[in-house]
Amino acid sequence: GENVEQHPSTLSVQEGDSAVIKCTYSDSASNYFPWYKQELGKGPQLIIDIRSNVGEKKDQRIAVTLNKTAKHFSLHITETQPEDSAVYFCAAREAAGNKLTFGGGTRVLVKP
Amino acid sequence: GAGVSQSPRYKVAKRGQDVALRCDPISGHVSLFWYQQALGQGPEFLTYFQNEAQLDKSGLPSDRFFAERPEGSVSTLKIQRTQQEDSAVYLCASSLTPGGFNEKLFFGSGTQLSVL
Repeated sequence: GENVEQHPSTLSVQEGDSAVIKCTYSDSASNYFPWYKQELGKGPQLIIDIRSNVGEKKDQRIAVTLNKTAKHFSLHITETQPEDSAVYFCAAREAAGNKLTFGGGTRVLVKP
Repeated sequence: GAGVSQSPRYKVAKRGQDVALRCDPISGHVSLFWYQQALGQGPEFLTYFQNEAQLDKSGLPSDRFFAERPEGSVSTLKIQRTQQEDSAVYLCASSLTPGGFNEKLFFGSGTQLSVL
């Protein structure tokens, strides 16, 4: 089955700086890669997603890149703000299945 | 409703007790998933429903775990004879299209289960 690795596990940045989180996946057949933000006591909330036929996608301060050859994808947050502080999860979905496989999460702290 | 609703929000059980966790998906959503999230880790897949049919239960850790969705809307996850290792947040998620293929998944806030 699919295996997703996520790095770093924690990330501390100064407000206004950029944050980058990287994930690798094992199943070359996976074709859908969402990113979720989870705040304390809440469920994961989808912030951006990318499909395997696209290399990059941007939504305001958030962007995701996908390298299918290397089987890795990254989340980029620019101009970070204190409200960006949360745990971020990457995930991958196998083409033949329905379930998402999640990475271990990155705890992001934006210092004012 | 506006989102995925789960109840109870918190559940404390003594070891050996049975528990039932409820999920109300977004109205009209065909696909429903249960995930287990241990402290400090990512969610792990438990089971998947398409309407009332349970199409994948490969993630259920033991035969003490049972899920149902009899009318294709509300779902219940039941854990029998709870053990301490069952302590986790149980997340429910739903999506609009059959199979959730390339479709956005919406999560509830979860039920935090503590087994003493």
